Amino acid sequence: DAGVIQSPRHEVTEMGQEVTLRCKPISGHNSLFWYRQTMMRGLELLIYFNNNVPIDDSGMPEDRFSAKMPNASFSTLKIQPSEPRDSAVYFCASSSRSWKRDNQPQHFGDGTRLSIL
Amino acid sequence: AQSVTQPDIHITVSEGASLELRCNYSYGATPYLFWYVQSPGQGLQLLLKYFSGDTLVQGIKGFEAEFKRSQSSFNLRKPSVHWSDAAEYFCAVESNTDKLIFGTGTRLQVFP
Repeated sequence: DAGVIQSPRHEVTEMGQEVTLRCKPISGHNSLFWYRQTMMRGLELLIYFNNNVPIDDSGMPEDRFSAKMPNASFSTLKIQPSEPRDSAVYFCASSSRSWKRDNQPQHFGDGTRLSIL
Repeated sequence: AQSVTQPDIHITVSEGASLELRCNYSYGATPYLFWYVQSPGQGLQLLLKYFSGDTLVQGIKGFEAEFKRSQSSFNLRKPSVHWSDAAEYFCAVESNTDKLIFGTGTRLQVFP
């Protein structure tokens, strides 16, 4: 089975540029999570969606960050304008959730390593 | 507030030795607990999970973990470590709003 697919794997760009990270969740999963990993702050949840609807975006650092999930098989995380402090590894994860909260674990993609110069 | 503490930032063991990685959590209700492993340049792979029932859970790659409610702990163990186990290990607790709260991780180094 294909896992969570993220693209690009690496992104290097200059500050001020727009950055778009992409994620394809596992087919059939209805919850999607975006995380950021840095040495200083560890793994932070940025936002998560359930059935394509954003449920909690309290982790989004500021208005420069936005995330969308136009359909069940695709999500984007956009940073505009980007800044050097946004450099990190960004992970997408997906899981299957129901009203019963059957607590299926989250499956992670391999991440996008983002460097803002 | 929910939190996870991994007291050991870095652990070094010899190949073939036993391993225990510590994890303590703070959560008001029955926790859902996880251990993930991250190899360099890779995403997080689920090793095992605890939702309910038997407090000793078995995972992949020969790992196991024991949930101890009285100690608020969920320590990860392996009887004999292999060089390929060198990686970073994260303990996590799931909140009642489906959010995973991660510990800061323990980096495992294995000497031949």
